[in-house]
Amino acid sequence: QVQLQESGPGLVKPSQTLTLTCTVSGGSISSGSYYWTWIRQPAGKGLEWIGRIYTSGSTNYSPSLKSRITISVDTSKNQFSLNLTSVTAADTAVYYCARSNYGSGRQFDYWGQGTLVTVSS
Amino acid sequence: DIQMTQSPSSLPASVGDRVTITCRASQSITTYLNWYQQKPGKAPKLLIYVASSLQSGVPSRFSGTGSGTDFTLTISSLQPEDFATYYCQQSYSTPRTFGQGTKVEIK
Repeated sequence: QVQLQESGPGLVKPSQTLTLTCTVSGGSISSGSYYWTWIRQPAGKGLEWIGRIYTSGSTNYSPSLKSRITISVDTSKNQFSLNLTSVTAADTAVYYCARSNYGSGRQFDYWGQGTLVTVSS
Repeated sequence: DIQMTQSPSSLPASVGDRVTITCRASQSITTYLNWYQQKPGKAPKLLIYVASSLQSGVPSRFSGTGSGTDFTLTISSLQPEDFATYYCQQSYSTPRTFGQGTKVEIK
């Protein structure tokens, strides 16, 4: 059973860089054909796709966040990470990591529990 | 970006009701449409993928139909544990996009 777990600071100051890590257990992050994805949700609002990394290391980012995002993978630790620079209060949200397959469907079948990030001085 | 529009935004219903939620895409997404259920404080849970396939472990009272731009999620007989918010999501192209959500609440 694959499990994902987000970790990172709960509080980040404006203009700083947010770094979150998703640890994958129950399977190797580099086996199979999967996209490893970040999604966020401001309080009381809907879901926003941030970006993803493929097992090969190739990435796709949301156009609205592309200039501030880097997603990377560390296969030795079975983790992937999100770096979001120059954060503002608008980046306050619950951040989820999730997995989708490369082939048919491409649905998000496994999700982490989510981690709340607050941007405030 | 492909825009996903759900209706209604809020759906008051009673246990035992048949509930239908619709989702419309701004362009054809063939059947690359997924449905998720989210309860307060929890991550979304996959219910239906590629428009009509039931995710393993999901009760058969949930069903999905549609193709192209118009899709529906139906709950045949609403159970107490089904009061939640439901999201559609397209996996046709990037950026992936979600509907704004439909909150199924107690009438």
